[in-house]
Amino acid sequence: GNSVTQMEGPVTLSEEAFLTINCTYTATGYPSLFWYVQYPGEGLQLLLKATKADDKGSNKGFEATYRKETTSFHLEKGSVQVSDSAVYFCALSDQGKLIFGQGTTLQVKP
Amino acid sequence: SQTIHQWPATLVQPVGSPLSLECTVEGTSNPNLYWYRQAAGRGLQLLFYSVGIGQISSEVPQNLSASRPQDRQFILSSKKLLLSDSGFYLCAWKIAISYNEQFFGPGTRLTVL
Repeated sequence: GNSVTQMEGPVTLSEEAFLTINCTYTATGYPSLFWYVQYPGEGLQLLLKATKADDKGSNKGFEATYRKETTSFHLEKGSVQVSDSAVYFCALSDQGKLIFGQGTTLQVKP
Repeated sequence: SQTIHQWPATLVQPVGSPLSLECTVEGTSNPNLYWYRQAAGRGLQLLFYSVGIGQISSEVPQNLSASRPQDRQFILSSKKLLLSDSGFYLCAWKIAISYNEQFFGPGTRLTVL
């Protein structure tokens, strides 16, 4: 079946460092791909999405490119801030449902 | 614009007591609705989803049930809570007949003692 694998966390970075959170997927067909962010004690917020191969989703300085050849959707940001500290979830669409990775905790220190 | 509400925000219940969590969506019609559970330090587990009034699909066998009495209302219930039911419960909706994103509510933190 379809699945999503994220890099293990937590990821700890200093402010203004470069961020990469790896996400790979297994899917039949051509799913849409998503990154969600969850701040402490809150629900999930959609961060960005890509609906077809080579699409680049971007929002708030975060980017991810849908790579069909490597079945990946890695999240990147050039300069993280303390306020980016949260849990990040990669997900794919599967017949009306979302399949999530396990989440990666990001801690950004001043 | 669309909004999604969940209540209560926090709940502490004894083992063996009943449960009712409510989720409502505003600003859209005939949404697909979803219940997820997030156990401490773990990912999201899809519990139930619904494509219409009275239509419920269960993803995993468990101590919980769901109902959709109205188009934009989704209820999660239990007759007798277990310790293992503790977690963060999230409701979500999406536009039906699309492969687009789901939108999540603020969640309910349930602690079973």
